[in-house]
Amino acid sequence: DIQLTQSPSFLSASVGDRVTITCRASQDISSYLAWYQQKPGKVPKLLIYAASTLQTGVPSRFSGSGSGTEFTLTISSLQPEDFATYYCQQLNSYPWTFGQGTKVEIK
Amino acid sequence: VQLVESGGGLVQPGKSLRLSCAASGFTFDDYAMQWVRQAPGKGLEWVSGINWNSGSIGYADSVKGRFTISRDNAKNSLYLQMNSLRVEDTGMYYCVKGNGIAVADPFDYWGQGTLVTVSS
Repeated sequence: DIQLTQSPSFLSASVGDRVTITCRASQDISSYLAWYQQKPGKVPKLLIYAASTLQTGVPSRFSGSGSGTEFTLTISSLQPEDFATYYCQQLNSYPWTFGQGTKVEIK
Repeated sequence: VQLVESGGGLVQPGKSLRLSCAASGFTFDDYAMQWVRQAPGKGLEWVSGINWNSGSIGYADSVKGRFTISRDNAKNSLYLQMNSLRVEDTGMYYCVKGNGIAVADPFDYWGQGTLVTVSS
């Protein structure tokens, strides 16, 4: 199975900060990577797919990059509604796997 | 898009449950569908996926041989038959829509989930 390791697991940041989350795959997954946001008590929301394609309706402050084994999710200017847990997911080969999550909290 | 799960509940280890997901607001047979679970306080775990015509199906290693995914396009419904349930199968089970026909398409809409608790 392909393992996804996110770093950091926990992030404390302030409104307006630029935030970067990294997702590393245990083997080459090309660009078959998605990012999801989950707020407490809510269902996950698709933010980015194919490593860098912004899902319709997602604010442009979110961006994704990378290919192969290293990927990043960047929030250019953190907003109050962005405090949540973020997961990466690979869709290159079965079984689809998620990273362990990165919790973004208010400093 | 609306995805409404049902069928969860409290069940003893070794028993079975069948989850259902009623889909509406989109052309069901144009999209792959998935089941994803989340144990209390834990991360996301993909369980199973099925493409638009049931021609491609995948399972997580942890459920392979015990769970069976199926769909009925005439009824706009997705199912998950769960047999030989284990304590570690406990969690919220989400019905999820893919954004295309293939099982490898990303997951763009999630239901609210149905809770499965496996305990003696």
